[in-house]
Amino acid sequence: QKEVEQNSGPLSVPEGAIASLNCTYSDRGSQSFFWYRQYSGKSPELIMSIYSNGDQEDGRFTAQLNKASQYVSLLIRDSQPSDSATYLCAVRDYGGSQGNLIFGKGTKLSVKP
Amino acid sequence: DTAVSQTPKYLVTQMGNDKSIKCEQNLGHDTMYWYKQDSKKFLKIMFSYNNKELIINETVPNRFSPKSPDKAHLNLHINSLELGDSAVYFCASSQDGTLMRKLFFGSGTQLSVL
Repeated sequence: QKEVEQNSGPLSVPEGAIASLNCTYSDRGSQSFFWYRQYSGKSPELIMSIYSNGDQEDGRFTAQLNKASQYVSLLIRDSQPSDSATYLCAVRDYGGSQGNLIFGKGTKLSVKP
Repeated sequence: DTAVSQTPKYLVTQMGNDKSIKCEQNLGHDTMYWYKQDSKKFLKIMFSYNNKELIINETVPNRFSPKSPDKAHLNLHINSLELGDSAVYFCASSQDGTLMRKLFFGSGTQLSVL
């Protein structure tokens, strides 16, 4: 059973701080990794994707990937109250059904003003 | 212009009823999906269609039957609804079902079975 694990939180950080969200995955052959943000009552939206070891930066967001440790993280710099949401880590199912994303259960982030 | 639209947004029904959820995408994508998100926010794929052909059919009761009349539409019909079917159902699409670089989600259908 392929799994994607996340700490469900809630993770609470003050405004302006760095929020660090973590994810581990079980399938060593996985190649594609994604972070989706989901506001309460809304649909998930893609914010970052990463495919190779190291860091991938986009504005205040940085995704980090370590395939050896089967670990992917998302850093949010200068956190804003508008970043308060559930963040879903997703991993492409490499060996099984093509085109399937396996999602973690999400980490709820709360940014306090 | 809504990229992926699904209707209805809310669906409240009794156990044993049959209901359908409709989904349409205007992005020109080849692949469409149905995901189920339970009360614990766990998002899990149910079905995937590529150009009207079923390519993913996860372990879902056969009371759930997807239908894709064309590549822009993917509907979900549910027979004999049960309490455990209560969840949010998301339709999604992607340009390429293999690469799946980005999923575009619809706004979701909140299904409540009483």
